[in-house]
Amino acid sequence: NAGVTQTPKFQVLKTGQSMTLQCAQDMNHNSMYWYRQDPGMGLRLIYYSASEGTTDKGEVPNGYNVSRLNKREFSLRLESAAPSQTSVYFCASLDEANYGYTFGSGTRLTVV
Amino acid sequence: QKEVEQDPGPLSVPEGAIVSLNCTYSNSAFQYFMWYRQYSRKGPELLMYTYSSGNKEDGRFTAQVDKSSKYISLFIRDSQPSDSATYLCAMENTGGFKTIFGAGTRLFVKA
Repeated sequence: NAGVTQTPKFQVLKTGQSMTLQCAQDMNHNSMYWYRQDPGMGLRLIYYSASEGTTDKGEVPNGYNVSRLNKREFSLRLESAAPSQTSVYFCASLDEANYGYTFGSGTRLTVV
Repeated sequence: QKEVEQDPGPLSVPEGAIVSLNCTYSNSAFQYFMWYRQYSRKGPELLMYTYSSGNKEDGRFTAQVDKSSKYISLFIRDSQPSDSATYLCAMENTGGFKTIFGAGTRLFVKA
């Protein structure tokens, strides 16, 4: 099925560990995004990539890095995980024809 | 003050009821308004999007935008248990890249 694929679905990290969240889309969308979702806070933008080769900070970029590997793939890296990064992370791509995001199924990350 | 305010609920209604979900916002520059539905442990999915003011209807769903009051609504007619989900409003002023989401309203439709 066409869409956005995220891996892994679940992860537990110890404080200070690093990891990379992977995301790929097969809809030929130019723009890709990483959001985090916390209770009562809604979705907050971490980083986005308007096109292949470009990345920009969103609302909450501290503690994260991203790589737009090619048009399909956009990864999010936590270099030194902190408990405040415990959250559900969503990758999304944008259909510019209807301003609608297609979201992946999310990664539930717990940092202990 | 948040740019977008949305009552978190939960909102519980009987099957067949008309549901009204609402958001208020503070940024008068917002031009694009979206509603997303999110089932438990899933990613949000786009339900409807409207540009500027007015109404838009899609089956049992109607989206309404009142820019003068900075208020948007989503109406669900003949609600079904399968409509039980969290509904997120979202809005932006540039047509992409910087979308602001509401925190979501949890809806329960009882059979």
